[in-house]
Amino acid sequence: AQSVSQHNHHVILSEAASLELGCNYSYGGTVNLFWYVQYPGQHLQLLLKYFSGDPLVKGIKGFEAEFIKSKFSFNLRKPSVQWSDAAEYFCAVNTGGFKTIFGAGTRLFVKA
Amino acid sequence: DGGITQSPKYLFRKEGQNVTLSCEQNLNHDAMYWYRQDPGQGLRLIYYSQIVNDFQKGDIAEGYSVSREKKESFPLTVTSAQKNPTAFYLCASSIGLQNEQFFGPGTRLTVL
Repeated sequence: AQSVSQHNHHVILSEAASLELGCNYSYGGTVNLFWYVQYPGQHLQLLLKYFSGDPLVKGIKGFEAEFIKSKFSFNLRKPSVQWSDAAEYFCAVNTGGFKTIFGAGTRLFVKA
Repeated sequence: DGGITQSPKYLFRKEGQNVTLSCEQNLNHDAMYWYRQDPGQGLRLIYYSQIVNDFQKGDIAEGYSVSREKKESFPLTVTSAQKNPTAFYLCASSIGLQNEQFFGPGTRLTVL
């Protein structure tokens, strides 16, 4: 069965530290890839997406993600996290069908 | 402003009662979805609809029902047959089934 795995349920970082959230999926064909973010008390919203082309995609608020097809990965990165980045992050994969599969989420805590 | 609205924000229900959650979008999107979000489990698809008057079961449809009589509306009924209905319910829409989804603010249902 197709699945999406996020490496950590919780991540705790200090402000200005670099962030990398892992995401792996199990599907060998063409995929559309997404990262969504859910800030406390706010709607789930799109952070960035990859459909085709340059595997390094940039999103809002300084986030970027790299699609590595050989590793079935789509890791999310940010060079320097801010207190306002504290949120829950979801990786999602669409394999061309009706369903987008979401990972379990990674909750980011940022220490001042 | 275009977006998705869900109502109510909080809902309390007694065991044995059916309850309907509202979802309305003014984005002119064809596809709409209902997800259930439980801690540590990500988003699980309950039902989706690709066009008006058509909807399909997702992974966890048992105990739920939907209708899609209008393009902008996709209400979800949580029936008494749902064994564990207490959860956070998210409605979403997209241009097509493979595109990024736009989410509503959610409804938190508690069964007393």
